[in-house]
Amino acid sequence: AQKVTQAQTEISVVEKEDVTLDCVYETRDTTYYLFWYKQPPSGELVFLIRRNSFDEQNEISGRYSWNFQKSTSSFNFTITASQVVDSAVYFCALIMNNNAGNMLTFGGGTRLMVKP
Amino acid sequence: DTGVSQDPRHKITKRGQNVTFRCDPISEHNRLYWYRQTLGQGPEFLTYFQNEAQLEKSRLLSDRFSAERPKGSFSTLEIQRTEQGDSAMYLCASSYHRGVADTQYFGPGTRLTVL
Repeated sequence: AQKVTQAQTEISVVEKEDVTLDCVYETRDTTYYLFWYKQPPSGELVFLIRRNSFDEQNEISGRYSWNFQKSTSSFNFTITASQVVDSAVYFCALIMNNNAGNMLTFGGGTRLMVKP
Repeated sequence: DTGVSQDPRHKITKRGQNVTFRCDPISEHNRLYWYRQTLGQGPEFLTYFQNEAQLEKSRLLSDRFSAERPKGSFSTLEIQRTEQGDSAMYLCASSYHRGVADTQYFGPGTRLTVL
């Protein structure tokens, strides 16, 4: 069975602070795929990143960076110099390799509040 | 390039009524997915189509739930005899299937309230 855990249900920071959102996953597959999505108050899930289990390079995209560590089954997301527009719920999700339907298994989400 | 659209955005109904939601995927996408999201939770998978074929429906919540994608384009999700526990956000996503683990792109969702 697969599982995604986002232990931080809510984080509050002041604008320009850095913030890290934690994601820990469980899967028996050796090949799997990890995703992060952002859900602003409007409700639409916005795709941020996809990572394959065989590629452990960290990735940076502007103020966003992701740290993938297979040894600890974690795929953490850092926002540098946070802005009010970053306020949203962020979801980490997993697809296992033997999942022919590409069903996404989501964590419970982390609500990020960035205060001015 | 338009994204995934869903209609209606909000639906209020009385218990026992039937409701139908529509999803229009990104035009070149051959896969379409339905998820349900309850308050404070992550989305949970319900069903998916590849073109017009429904390839997984065992996770539909009960036999009151059904979905169609008759011509491989738009899809509908119907809930019969609604119950208060059906109140949730219903999300549609689409992807272009090239192999494993397509990236799914989501629509804005339909928020259902059952009174």
